[in-house]
Amino acid sequence: NAGVMQNPRHLVRRRGQEARLRCSPMKGHSHVYWYRQLPEEGLKFMVYLQKENIIDESGMPKERFSAEFPKEGPSILRIQQVVRGDSAAYFCASSPSGATEAFFGQGTRLTVV
Amino acid sequence: EDQVTQSPEALRLQEGESSSLNCSYTVSGLRGLFWYRQDPGKGPEFLFTLYSAGEEKEKERLKATLTKKESFLHITAPKPEDSATYLCAAPLGNTPLVFGKGTRLSVIA
Repeated sequence: NAGVMQNPRHLVRRRGQEARLRCSPMKGHSHVYWYRQLPEEGLKFMVYLQKENIIDESGMPKERFSAEFPKEGPSILRIQQVVRGDSAAYFCASSPSGATEAFFGQGTRLTVV
Repeated sequence: EDQVTQSPEALRLQEGESSSLNCSYTVSGLRGLFWYRQDPGKGPEFLFTLYSAGEEKEKERLKATLTKKESFLHITAPKPEDSATYLCAAPLGNTPLVFGKGTRLSVIA
């Protein structure tokens, strides 16, 4: 059973471009979570999704950021018009239900130049 | 305000020197306390889940315990390969896992 797969592992974008981060959950997991980690800082919750639904987006910036988890295919975290402050590691996690432990992918490291 | 706080921020141990990491929480109606290990450049790796006060879980040199206000991660006779950042987390409201800032553990041979 493959773990949570994130791609790309590294992404470089120029200021103003769009970044798309993908996350394929573990087989049988229908709950997906996105977190952001800045250097030397903790994991900050961004959004919690279940198939085709956003359950909690209280950690998402109000502008430029969006997330989806369609019926088919991976979950996507989309950042429009990236700025240097968006540079961070973005982690995705999945679980079979909302009340159990979550398993993390290896992250996507976004660098905005 | 519900929150999760870890201490110390950093801990340096000699190989074989046992110690404990602390995770205190102020959460009404705890729905699980989770421990993870994170190595540099990698995603967090799940270690343990504790659900009720008095519960204990062990894995190799690690043992996690839970009281009504805090959890401890005990490390017995650590080895250099135990060096990592240890994170604890708890669900808060609809947010599935809110993480503490972690404890950076260094074990010196």
